[in-house]
Amino acid sequence: DVKVTQSSRYLVKRTGEKVFLECVQDMDHENMFWYRQDPGLGLRLIYFSYDVKMKEKGDIPEGYSVSREKKERFSLILESASTNQTSMYLCASRGQGRNEQFFGPGTRLTVL
Amino acid sequence: KQEVTQIPAALSVPEGENLVLNCSFTDSAIYNLQWFRQDPGKGLTSLLLIQSSQREQTSGRLNASLDKSSGRSTLYIAASQPGDSATYLCAVRRGTGANNLFFGTGTRLTVIP
Repeated sequence: DVKVTQSSRYLVKRTGEKVFLECVQDMDHENMFWYRQDPGLGLRLIYFSYDVKMKEKGDIPEGYSVSREKKERFSLILESASTNQTSMYLCASRGQGRNEQFFGPGTRLTVL
Repeated sequence: KQEVTQIPAALSVPEGENLVLNCSFTDSAIYNLQWFRQDPGKGLTSLLLIQSSQREQTSGRLNASLDKSSGRSTLYIAASQPGDSATYLCAVRRGTGANNLFFGTGTRLTVIP
């Protein structure tokens, strides 16, 4: 079974703090994704990566950056957290070709 | 741009009933379609993946069908149980690129004991 893990289930940070969200997958998948999920807005893609050190902006990259130094790990960085970044953050991975996309358990981030 | 719609937004059924969840998409040129389940406060769990060349996929009490020409997919749940209560999302992948997965907003299912 594919396993996608996220470093924290719940996180509370203060405005202006730098926040790191970590995601690790164990299936040697090339593609990894970060989404945020908000009531009424559904899932929105923040960034994705199709290979080590490669990244592409999704639909809402503003205020975020990412890092992928190893194939299994994809990090989402909030350089200076703001209250409008309070959300559920979901990491996902997918292999090449006609494959399923698998999600981690999510991180509920609250920025005060 | 691909738009994915799931109607109804919420559904309540008594335990034991068979039920159908609907997913429609505007562009029939899809690569595959995936159904997910999400429990409150949790991540998404993959249920079924249908490739564009397939008509249906089955897993246990779940059966997903795909009609590309009409832009529709259905998820059939047989003999529903309270444990099936969750939000069900469909997502359409349009091509081979990494970022082109379009999600519906989900149907929240409640199975009443």
